[in-house]
Amino acid sequence: GAVVSQHPSRVICKSGTSVKIECRSLDFQATTMFWYRQFPKQSLMLMATSNEGSKATYEQGVEKDKFLINHASLTLSTLTVTSAHPEDSSFYICSARRTGRETQYFGPGTRLLVL
Amino acid sequence: AQKITQTQPGMFVQEKEAVTLDCTYDTSDPSYGLFWYKQPSSGEMIFLIYQGSYDQQNATEGRYSLNFQKARKSANLVISASQLGDSAMYFCAMREEGTGNQFYFGTGTSLTVIP
Repeated sequence: GAVVSQHPSRVICKSGTSVKIECRSLDFQATTMFWYRQFPKQSLMLMATSNEGSKATYEQGVEKDKFLINHASLTLSTLTVTSAHPEDSSFYICSARRTGRETQYFGPGTRLLVL
Repeated sequence: AQKITQTQPGMFVQEKEAVTLDCTYDTSDPSYGLFWYKQPSSGEMIFLIYQGSYDQQNATEGRYSLNFQKARKSANLVISASQLGDSAMYFCAMREEGTGNQFYFGTGTSLTVIP
């Protein structure tokens, strides 16, 4: 199978702090990982595409300075929410595409609550 | 225009019965892939089934089958012998060869299996 882990699964932080979320592909290499945001009872919204060894590609309307993405290795991508505010509270979920395969495999998601 | 349309926000099915979740898509790319994911209340996105645009036969994975009607641009998910654990949100998604790795998701269908 293709397993993707995400850490932490849940985080509560104060407004103004930064939060880092890790996404790892455990049993395969992923040159491309994706970060999504999901509001309650809504679909997934693609935030950015993370490419190993290069800059992430952000979707329109997503602030790259606020949502910092680093893809340092073929198995790890991180999303840092900088100076988080209550409106950043959401469910963040990453996915990875196995090289040569069509399917994206998702991590279990991270619930972020900013107080 | 919406790339993926799921017109059923909520569906109910009796346990052990079959249910069809609708999905239509819009693309001019001759090469694309269609996916179904299940999202239980825990939030994790679970890959169910994949259909390639050039696949001649409908995809099947255990109790899941994809009713692929290319001319109608529909990719309905059929779940046979529903189980209580099938209660979840179901998302249809598409990837176009021309746009690279990006997935387009539908708005989802909430399925409730009634005992």
